[in-house]
Amino acid sequence: DTAVSQTPKYLVTQMGNDKSIKCEQNLGHDTMYWYKQDSKKFLKIMFSYNNKELIINETVPNRFSPKSPDKAHLNLHINSLELGDSAVYFCASSRTGDYGYTFGSGTRLTVV
Amino acid sequence: AQSVAQPEDQVNVAEGNPLTVKCTYSVSGNPYLFWYVQYPNRGLQFLLKYITGDNLVKGSYGFEAEFNKSQTSFHLKKPSALVSDSALYFCAVRDPWTGTASKLTFGTGTRLQVTL
Repeated sequence: DTAVSQTPKYLVTQMGNDKSIKCEQNLGHDTMYWYKQDSKKFLKIMFSYNNKELIINETVPNRFSPKSPDKAHLNLHINSLELGDSAVYFCASSRTGDYGYTFGSGTRLTVV
Repeated sequence: AQSVAQPEDQVNVAEGNPLTVKCTYSVSGNPYLFWYVQYPNRGLQFLLKYITGDNLVKGSYGFEAEFNKSQTSFHLKKPSALVSDSALYFCAVRDPWTGTASKLTFGTGTRLQVTL
């Protein structure tokens, strides 16, 4: 299936831990994104990579570090997790010159 | 900076009745406008988009939206609602003039509740 896939789907971890979320797309898109959806369902962009180059870096704590090994993958590493990091994280992708995004199904992160 | 406003947190409609979910936008140039739907515990699914051309855009599942430049609005509509349309709907805008740094900015979402 052509899609944007994220792993894991659910992640429960303790404060202070370090965790990673992985994202892969097989749509041939050249731009990938991370969005955070908070408990009120508000969606906010965090990062964007175009052909492995960071092009959008919103005001995000530097505990969050994205990595794009190639244009089909965009991972998100989070250090020293805090309670406020609990949210659903969505990966998305698009093609330059195209208009909309394709979203993954999300990773629900719960920090306890 | 671009922004989107969805003035209603929730819209309630009876099955079979027409529905409208409101959206207004603010962007410096001509906007790219989108509607996405999110079902519980799922990702966002694309419904429709306006890029240019006809102001009335038709999308998935019988939804349509009307672009109104003078009112800076892009309201989502459906002639006859179904219970299965109950979900969270997001309007989004993209500024096409920022090149590869262009990003989708979402509204706060409107929960649509369709009842029998």
